[in-house]
Parts: sequence; C-alpha cells; structure tokens
Amino acid sequence: EAEVAQSPRYKITEKSQAVAFWCDPISGHATLYWYRQILGQGPELLVQFQDESVVDDSQLPKDRFSAERLKGVDSTLKIQPAELGDSAMYLCASSLRRDRLSNEQYFGPGTRLTVT
Amino acid sequence: SQQGEEDPQALSIQEGENATMNCSYKTSINNLQWYRQNSGRGLVHLILIRSNEREKHSGRLRVTLDTSKKSSSLLITASRAADTASYFCAPLQDTGNQFYFGTGTSLTVIP
Repeated sequence: EAEVAQSPRYKITEKSQAVAFWCDPISGHATLYWYRQILGQGPELLVQFQDESVVDDSQLPKDRFSAERLKGVDSTLKIQPAELGDSAMYLCASSLRRDRLSNEQYFGPGTRLTVT
Repeated sequence: SQQGEEDPQALSIQEGENATMNCSYKTSINNLQWYRQNSGRGLVHLILIRSNEREKHSGRLRVTLDTSKKSSSLLITASRAADTASYFCAPLQDTGNQFYFGTGTSLTVIP
C-alpha cells in the first residue's frame, strides 16, 4: 500500500541552527499539507499546497519557516533559525482529489524535532 | 476557526466495552472526518461522514452527525487494547479546503 514518506524521522538541533524536513506524498496526490503537532495537542496546519502552488500558509511563521513544492511532487519545510518553541512533531499529509467532497488525508509518520 | 472540539479529553475503559467520544464545531460543514493517532505516529483516517448523512458504519466504528446541533459522535464497539490511541475529529467547513483538528480524545483500553 502506498504511503507518505518523511525524513528524517528524528532530528535534534541547537537553537539558531537551520533544519529541513522532506516529504514525498503518495503518487498522484495533488494536495500536500504540512502540520505541526505539539505534544498533547492536535495537528496545526502550517501550509497547504495544490500541485506546486501554496493555497494556504496563513499559520506559517514566515519570518523563520519556508516551504516549497517545486515540481508539485515532493516538498521541503525549512526552519531558520530554529527556536526552542519549535520542538514538535512535523507531519506531512497528502490527499488525492482537488475537490472538497472526498479529501481524505493520508499522513506520514512525522519528524520529531527537538531544539536544544 | 472551524476547529473540532473533542469530548471527553481522556477516556479509560475495559476491553470489550464500548467507547463513545464526541465532537462539536461552530459553523456549517461540507463533511467531517475522524482520525486515530497511535502514540508518536502519524494520523490514520477512520471514517468520513458528509453533511447530508446522519450515520455511517465501518466495522466496529459508528459515526453520527447532527448538523442542527453541530456535533458528531464516534462509537467504538467491543473495544480492544489495540484501540488505545488519540482520536481527532476534523470538520471541513463549507468554504475552503482546510481541516482544523482539536486536541483529541485520549482513549485507553485496559486489557
């Protein structure tokens, strides 16, 4: 069964350093999402792509976070510089359809980031 | 925001019992989805119910939707230890394409 791939699974970095996460969605999925999940809370949407275009990045802290999906396939989320409060699980998800009626999301295993 | 709010925050039951968790939301929706998250893992889609549906079943799962009360419930029958996880509802509002997850219900099934 096809899965969303994410790497790395775990990342420890010092504050003020740069960190990047990679996501490869299920083949053919047009929509890609990046979420941040702080321990004990639900996932919070950071950015949503439709193909290579950003359709929602209203919750993305743009002073330090950036995301791209250049060819409309895989995606990279970057944090520079990392802060202690960025410690969280970063989840990537994808969905097949462009319309809203059946946009079931498939999640990757996540990247656990610890900022020291 | 169109965040789903789950209730209770935590639930502990014996294996074999039924578990019910609830979700409330604020504005009109297109559909509502339920997801499960095992500790430290990604979310897994469980079931989607559309705004014109009132009840849906999938295996041991039963989901109801009451749009007049802006609420949904997830029932897990004959629970198993493997059902131990956090459960999130995600309402999709009528406009837009974004999900807003709540803080979830943490379910513990005791063997």
